[in-house]
Amino acid sequence: DQQVKQNSPSLSVQEGRISILNCDYTNSMFDYFLWYKKYPAEGPTFLISISSIKDKNEDGRFTVFLNKSAKHLSLHIVPSQPGDSAVYFCAAYTSNTGKLIFGQGTTLQVKP
Amino acid sequence: KAGVTQTPRYLIKTRGQQVTLSCSPISGHRSVSWYQQTPGQGLQFLFEYFSETQRNKGNFPGRFSGRQFSNSRSEMNVSTLELGDSALYLCASSLAVGQTPLHFGNGTRLTVT
Repeated sequence: DQQVKQNSPSLSVQEGRISILNCDYTNSMFDYFLWYKKYPAEGPTFLISISSIKDKNEDGRFTVFLNKSAKHLSLHIVPSQPGDSAVYFCAAYTSNTGKLIFGQGTTLQVKP
Repeated sequence: KAGVTQTPRYLIKTRGQQVTLSCSPISGHRSVSWYQQTPGQGLQFLFEYFSETQRNKGNFPGRFSGRQFSNSRSEMNVSTLELGDSALYLCASSLAVGQTPLHFGNGTRLTVT
């Protein structure tokens, strides 16, 4: 039973345009949602998070939107840069278990 | 401020052996958790430690164990290694229990032959 799903394995975007990465979840008890970026042979790097009581959080070029009724969140990157090319993981966190549940990841390629 | 440090970066072991991996959290972080990443299963939670106590455990066999020391450093141990244990093992730290974000180290790549 996969509680966090990223249904798009890959996404290709032109430099300067918007990248939108999507994530769906099934458990209403998650307290936070986080996005991580990962390069091969490195650990995930934290990008941005959102509390389950919010619907938007913005940090520079990165914005995360949360739609609780649809159990859906998305990460917007504007403008996209070639250095953004990496695997992006959506993760859900429950405070009382202290664990992150990860989606399967989406590989973003930003073309110059 | 140094990040999460994991040692060693790479390990090659033989089936049936045991292995110990080490993790030093970010200074001041007291919660440490471990994750396994494989191509088939993705990133999966192993366990979390806080104040030298295991708080939660994921769905892994008892061959996987860990501990945390008084300085918050943590080790995980895998006994009787199987081929399927080949994976990237990632350690993450956070300030305290229930606190986000979790910050990850670069992992230990374990290969079992």
